[in-house]
Parts: sequence; structure tokens; C-alpha cells
Amino acid sequence: DSGVTQTPKHLITATGQRVTLRCSPRSGDLSVYWYQQSLDQGLQFLIQYYNGEERAKGNILERFSAQQFPDLHSELNLSSLELGDSALYFCASSVAHITDTQYFGPGTRLTVL
Amino acid sequence: KNEVEQSPQNLTAQEGEFITINCSYSVGISALHWLQQHPGGGIVSLFMLSSGKKKHGRLIATINIQEKHSSLHITASHPRDSAVYICAVRLNNDMRFGAGTRLTVKP
Repeated sequence: DSGVTQTPKHLITATGQRVTLRCSPRSGDLSVYWYQQSLDQGLQFLIQYYNGEERAKGNILERFSAQQFPDLHSELNLSSLELGDSALYFCASSVAHITDTQYFGPGTRLTVL
Repeated sequence: KNEVEQSPQNLTAQEGEFITINCSYSVGISALHWLQQHPGGGIVSLFMLSSGKKKHGRLIATINIQEKHSSLHITASHPRDSAVYICAVRLNNDMRFGAGTRLTVKP
């Protein structure tokens, strides 16, 4: 158990809908990272938050947004969902910096029908 | 061409064998990570390297910055090492991943 929790574990929704994925980092970790893992594109880095502020941005679509709240939990919002958004979404946390060891949550499997 | 290339894609070994997985990258990096993804999907960070060599138990990771190459070695492999091993490189504030190496260790 990494100490990082993600909810829900599974999510099934329809095209055009909006969903929110939630992540709680390990106690004491200030950074949260979001990743997408799809069958055709593998793992991709989406975005990093550090202590409530956006710190780094990867391959995140404009339809996706994230935020980190004062209690350090983070949410990833996915809107206008398309079939191709079906993937595993992982959250990870680290103490502070992007070069620190990251601890991964169990992932949320999103299926868009 | 992908920025991060791993080889081999698939690897089958007998228990006890020495395993090497390779990662080559084509861009300047600030760090390289080796990740392990279990059959159930969970991901564990094994190593973060910016130079030299690190060892943890039966796992050894090396990096050669000049040659843009890293290797992950597993000594005395065991069926529980069966997983996908993923190389990831950090570019300033971005991260790129290899496609992974699927390792199967047979008893």
C-alpha cells in the first residue's frame, strides 16, 4: 500500500459527459501528479501540482483540468468525454520536487461508452 | 522515433537467471525513473537516477548520461518479478515514458 488513495476505482460513462477523479496523497507529500495510461499510447504525464499551485504541465488536453485543494487532495476533471479517453488514470504523490520518488495510487479505470 | 526506447519488449526467463532491461533516450534529461507495473495494474517506483548506479536488494539500475542509456538488472530472478518494467525520463517539467518491457519469470 503506497498510502495514495484514488476514487473511484472504476467509472463507466457515456461520450460527452463530465467526470471527476479524486486523489489523496500520502501524508506529508506536497506534490501530486496525474498520469493517463491507455492501450495505444502507454503512460503519459498530464499535470503536477505542488502545495496548491500548478507546477508542471505535460500532455493534458484542454478538455481536462485539475486542481489541488488546501488539504492537498487533488481532483482531475475530464469533460466532453470521447471514446479515446478510456484509460487508467493514475495519481502519484511525492514529498516536494519532481525529482523525488513518486508513490502511485491504484488508479481509476475510466470506460467511455 | 520515440524519445524513450526500451528493449526487449518481451522477455521470458527461468527462475534464477540474470535479467537485463535496457532504456535509451534521445533527449537531455534531468533524471530517469524505473517503474514496475504489476499484473493487477499497480505501479511502484523502483529507482530514480541522475548518474551512476543504485542497488536495492536484487535490483540494480545504472545510467550513462553521455551515452543516453540506462539498464535495469535483476539478479537471481524469481516468478514474483514477473511484471512490466517501464523507463521514464524527466525533461525539466515534463516526463516521457518508454513502452515497457514485459518480463515473465518461469519457475
